[in-house]
Amino acid sequence: ETGVTQSPTHLIKTRGQQVTLRCSSQSGHNTVSWYQQALGQGPQFIFQYYREEENGRGNFPPRFSGLQFPNYSSELNVNALELDDSALYLCASSLNPWTSGFSYEQYFGPGTRLTVT
Amino acid sequence: QQPVQSPQAVILREGEDAVINCSSSKALYSVHWYRQKHGEAPIFLMILLKGGEQKGHDKISASFNEKKQQSSLYLTASQLSYSGTYFCGPNKAYSGGSNYKLTFGKGTLLTVNP
Repeated sequence: ETGVTQSPTHLIKTRGQQVTLRCSSQSGHNTVSWYQQALGQGPQFIFQYYREEENGRGNFPPRFSGLQFPNYSSELNVNALELDDSALYLCASSLNPWTSGFSYEQYFGPGTRLTVT
Repeated sequence: QQPVQSPQAVILREGEDAVINCSSSKALYSVHWYRQKHGEAPIFLMILLKGGEQKGHDKISASFNEKKQQSSLYLTASQLSYSGTYFCGPNKAYSGGSNYKLTFGKGTLLTVNP
């Protein structure tokens, strides 16, 4: 069973640029959530994708967008980068509870460390 | 809105017990607990559902007081491997597939020394 993988591991961008982060979900998982974790903070929910559609969003501006592909992998895109976007970006995959019974766990990837200068 | 966790940090000797608390200002459907070691991904520990159902690991227990909108994680006979930052993630809604919109607290740093 392959776990959640993310790429790249680290990334350095300058303010105003755009970035794309990638996530491959755990085998069989159809739901992907993205989180932003600033230094010393807990992960903050950005959005979730289920069956290739956005299925909920946290308090993040529209310049944070995403995609989910038919193989359930996902991308997080951030436009017009700001210094405050510097953080660890985590994706987490899970099964939809309607189809999985009581499998509520989310499996997190190792994250992408984004630094905006 | 972020849940409030207490204590912010705790230091234990191996074999001691600890309790980590989590309070939310909103009505809850479930509370999720995760542990994150430095430089690693958070890993699932426990979920408590409204109505009393629990799912998690054998050596960790937790409680969920729906009326008080609080949850507590109980770590007994702590081991060195318990060290890490513990996050609670209250979930206030259950709506089909959109029930993982977790907003985690700032975490509780647990250090277990030999």
